[in-house]
Amino acid sequence: DAGITQSPRHKVTETGTPVTLRCHQTENHRYMYWYRQDPGHGLRLIHYSYGVKDTDKGEVSDGYSVSRSKTEDFLLTLESATSSQTSVYFCAISDFPGTSGYNEQFFGPGTRLTVL
Amino acid sequence: AQSVAQPEDQVNVAEGNPLTVKCTYSVSGNPYLFWYVQYPNRGLQFLLKYITGDNLVKGSYGFEAEFNKSQTSFHLKKPSALVSDSALYFCAVRDRTAGANNLFFGTGTRLTVIP
Repeated sequence: DAGITQSPRHKVTETGTPVTLRCHQTENHRYMYWYRQDPGHGLRLIHYSYGVKDTDKGEVSDGYSVSRSKTEDFLLTLESATSSQTSVYFCAISDFPGTSGYNEQFFGPGTRLTVL
Repeated sequence: AQSVAQPEDQVNVAEGNPLTVKCTYSVSGNPYLFWYVQYPNRGLQFLLKYITGDNLVKGSYGFEAEFNKSQTSFHLKKPSALVSDSALYFCAVRDRTAGANNLFFGTGTRLTVIP
């Protein structure tokens, strides 16, 4: 999975508790992304980062925050988890576009989160 | 606005037959287009991309896709399906003129290759 790890791989938590998911890359890629995958919706972007301490919102950012203090790590935090945030979360990375204009994203193995 | 449609939730094909997984897109400018595959309990794996140039793009595992600008389509094809091709396939798009670097994904098509 292209030098990307996610932790934890599985988590069960209760409504109202804070949760932090970690994405770690060894590729030194500039861009990092957090997606959630739900049946019937495909993948939807939550937040992304275009550099250390540079982040922006995606399509479904409500209830989520992110931080990137180092190139290799991108954290996703659910401040107060809700049952609607039960999902599979994927981290992705991509390199600076260069002359091609765009580089594909590479995905981590995913984290299955269940909020009871 | 950018969007991707995969009109078929499920595609079944017999082993050895050609397969097609359909994708249409909507962007305001010219697109970057991608296909990814997901095997059970795994992340998405990149298959191929269209950036510019030849409309027929060849990718991993014998897959190819044809970019058709007039029909705004980017269908995934393979001449002879294998049982091991059974997986969930996602089409994704990015508008070249968009400021952000993120992709928009379709809802996925589950391909089942029948032995």
